[in-house]
Amino acid sequence: GENVEQHPSTLSVQEGDSAVIKCTYSDSASNYFPWYKQELGKRPQLIIDIRSNVGEKKDQRIAVTLNKTAKHFSLHITETQPEDSAVYFCAAIPAFSGGYNKLIFGAGTRLAVHP
Amino acid sequence: GAVVSQHPSWVICKSGTSVKIECRSLDFQATTMFWYRQFPKQSLMLMATSNEGSKATYEQGVEKDKFLINHASLTLSTLTVTSAHPEDSSFYICSAPIQDHNEQFFGPGTRLTVL
Repeated sequence: GENVEQHPSTLSVQEGDSAVIKCTYSDSASNYFPWYKQELGKRPQLIIDIRSNVGEKKDQRIAVTLNKTAKHFSLHITETQPEDSAVYFCAAIPAFSGGYNKLIFGAGTRLAVHP
Repeated sequence: GAVVSQHPSWVICKSGTSVKIECRSLDFQATTMFWYRQFPKQSLMLMATSNEGSKATYEQGVEKDKFLINHASLTLSTLTVTSAHPEDSSFYICSAPIQDHNEQFFGPGTRLTVL
């Protein structure tokens, strides 16, 4: 089955710097890769997603890149702000998940943005 | 966006008792819902896929007799933790996709504490 690995587990940056989180996946047929932000005790919030037919997607300060050949995708946050501090999860939907679109999550990255 | 609710938001129970958690899609119909468990400082682990009108599909290692899932209508799935023990204490989150879309909408989660 699909396996998603995420690095780093923790990331500390100064306000205004960029943050990059990387994930790799094992199922080459996976076709959907969302990124979630989760604050303590809250539900995961979708911040950006990318499909397998696209190499890059941007939404203001957030961007995601996908390299299908290498089976990895990355989240880029520019001009970080203290309110970006949270746990970020990547995920993938394997192509063959019984038709149920099951999300397989990475282990998470705890991002701390220091003023 | 689509809204998913969960009830209760938190529950404390004694060891050996059973606890029921409800997941509702408020403004859309969900033939499929997913149940996740999240231990402190860990990722979301998929427990099972809840299917309206049929049996749930459990992930490897999840005891189906301990975590009973009922998806009785197109807007409601319930997870019952039977004979709960302290090691079942966790954050339980449900999600539901809109049909034919990859994006999943998460409930706010239920924090279960078993004494």
